[in-house]
Amino acid sequence: ELKVEQNPLFLSMQEGKNYTIYCNYSTTSDRLYWYRQDPGKSLESLFVLLSNGAVKQEGRLMASLDTKARLSTLHITAAVHDLSATYFCAVGSTSGTYKYIFGTGTRLKVLA
Amino acid sequence: DTGVSQDPRHKITKRGQNVTFRCDPISEHNRLYWYRQTLGQGPEFLTYFQNEAQLEKSRLLSDRFSAERPKGSFSTLEIQRTEQGDSAMYLCASSSLTGFYEQYFGPGTRLTVT
Repeated sequence: ELKVEQNPLFLSMQEGKNYTIYCNYSTTSDRLYWYRQDPGKSLESLFVLLSNGAVKQEGRLMASLDTKARLSTLHITAAVHDLSATYFCAVGSTSGTYKYIFGTGTRLKVLA
Repeated sequence: DTGVSQDPRHKITKRGQNVTFRCDPISEHNRLYWYRQTLGQGPEFLTYFQNEAQLEKSRLLSDRFSAERPKGSFSTLEIQRTEQGDSAMYLCASSSLTGFYEQYFGPGTRLTVT
């Protein structure tokens, strides 16, 4: 059964600093997604990663995928307060189904 | 298209009552998903449809939960005999059959069972 783990669960960082969030998953998959969620709000799609070595960047966020290691990273460069949110990775199951399993989330707080 | 919509946005009910939520997906999307999210947790898969067919249902979903998607358009999620443990945000998402299979989420329905 597909399991998805994220770490850290909580991250408090100063503005201007860099950090990486990790997403590990337990079985083979060719679809990985990153979402952002603000408190009390729904999920906003950030990145779609579909192949080994895929790298996507948007502003201060960069996501990558290593399917062999079953690992995706979300790297934050020069954090700003507006990036404070909870970030989730979601992995698409490939066992004859199109369901998605979400990680536990990383709650990011950027301190001014 | 204005995206995925859900109704109601908030629902407060007493334990033992039945509740029904509605989700309207993006019009050209064939797949529709229901998730439950509790505070501090990631969305938990409940079920999904491809057109009108319910293709998978979580083993964690008790018999009190049922979902339908008549005619492959909107979907409803019904919870019978609600319990306090059902209090959560219920999220609906839709995706296309082609391309990146990216899910687009609705605003959610927050259920509070008193």
